[in-house]
Amino acid sequence: GQQLNQSPQSMFIQEGEDVSMNCTSSSIFNTWLWYKQDPGEGPVLLIALYKAGELTSNGRLTAQFGITRKDSFLNISASIPSDVGIYFCAGPSANAGGTSYGKLTFGQGTILTVHP
Amino acid sequence: ETGVTQSPTHLIKTRGQQVTLRCSSQSGHNTVSWYQQALGQGPQFIFQYYREEENGRGNFPPRFSGLQFPNYSSELNVNALELDDSALYLCASSPIGGGGNEQFFGPGTRLTVL
Repeated sequence: GQQLNQSPQSMFIQEGEDVSMNCTSSSIFNTWLWYKQDPGEGPVLLIALYKAGELTSNGRLTAQFGITRKDSFLNISASIPSDVGIYFCAGPSANAGGTSYGKLTFGQGTILTVHP
Repeated sequence: ETGVTQSPTHLIKTRGQQVTLRCSSQSGHNTVSWYQQALGQGPQFIFQYYREEENGRGNFPPRFSGLQFPNYSSELNVNALELDDSALYLCASSPIGGGGNEQFFGPGTRLTVL
């Protein structure tokens, strides 16, 4: 089945530093989504990407849809303590039956820790 | 606008029992998906409901079943609970008319099976 591999698995950075993380797949995705999950809560959608090569920003966050459609990148600039959490990439599954909308495959997550 | 809500927040069951989890979709959303998130892992798709019918299923056995009601709310039922069913169960909804890949998640129900 489809798998998404995220790297790095965890990051420990100082407040103010920039962060980069990525997500790769063995198969093509037509949509890439980036989510953040805080402890005890559900994932919150940060950015959605729909076109190869697309670069989209949401405040200090910027994500890119890779040209090969098999990868995506998320950058966080000038990190702050509230950026702490787990960041997931996700894309629609091709093999769950019905239409593919909303049937997401998730990566294993990148755990971000920000030291003040 | 009310977001996705789930109940209960936490639940403890014993092996072999049955459990029902509930989800109310975000206002204006007609599609509900359920995910299982084991500790330290990303969410895994269980199934999706659209127009009160199952619309796709992940790699989960038939003892995982669901319902969707006319008001778009949904239930997840798990029979014959196993220890490995211990996880955070997440409900997500998506809006009517497109943008279906943008899933909006509830806070989850933490299920512990002893």
